[in-house]
Amino acid sequence: QKEVEQDPGPLSVPEGAIVSLNCTYSNSAFQYFMWYRQYSRKGPELLMYTYSSGNKEDGRFTAQVDKSSKYISLFIRDSQPSDSATYLCAMSRGMLGNQFYFGTGTSLTVIP
Amino acid sequence: ETGVTQTPRHLVMGMTNKKSLKCEQHLGHNAMYWYKQSAKKPLELMFVYNFKEQTENNSVPSRFSPECPNSSHLFLHLHTLQPEDSALYLCASSQDRAGGGDTQYFGPGTRLTVL
Repeated sequence: QKEVEQDPGPLSVPEGAIVSLNCTYSNSAFQYFMWYRQYSRKGPELLMYTYSSGNKEDGRFTAQVDKSSKYISLFIRDSQPSDSATYLCAMSRGMLGNQFYFGTGTSLTVIP
Repeated sequence: ETGVTQTPRHLVMGMTNKKSLKCEQHLGHNAMYWYKQSAKKPLELMFVYNFKEQTENNSVPSRFSPECPNSSHLFLHLHTLQPEDSALYLCASSQDRAGGGDTQYFGPGTRLTVL
């Protein structure tokens, strides 16, 4: 079983739609959860960062973590064509010398 | 320069060539990483350095040779690569510390093509 599972998509939505991106994981020791956005031919850029369970909001983006279900989500409200990118989830145990575990990424296209 | 920089951005090499990728971080971090990113696959961790010491080598073939002369610079030396090594090579850095709370920042990557 993979440490992190993420539906690769592709996902295509009209401009203004609410987008929901999800990842599941198997290691209950994960404490830190991240979402990265990666545009074509660029490196991943950190979008959201959450510790433990709960919600975190930043503008049009909301990250949710449900540790009991081992499930994390990223919601994008009022999606824009500029949101078209690949979204990667990542997580770590938060220990010294720890590693980061990534999903495969979900490709999102927002159609004007 | 800010963040994490990588050079070159694109590299085409033959299987008998020797080349090097360079990464530099301007964030004051103490840990640096090399990842390989291939289409439809998760990021593959290759090497981790913490305070210039290699702490992880994820069964990477010896044709990839990392070097970390200080906490700000990381190199990946390449020789006798195979076509399947063609990928985007990403460098990242983080502030690795007890208690966690850190996250990784990535460079733009080097797009490598092996002919």
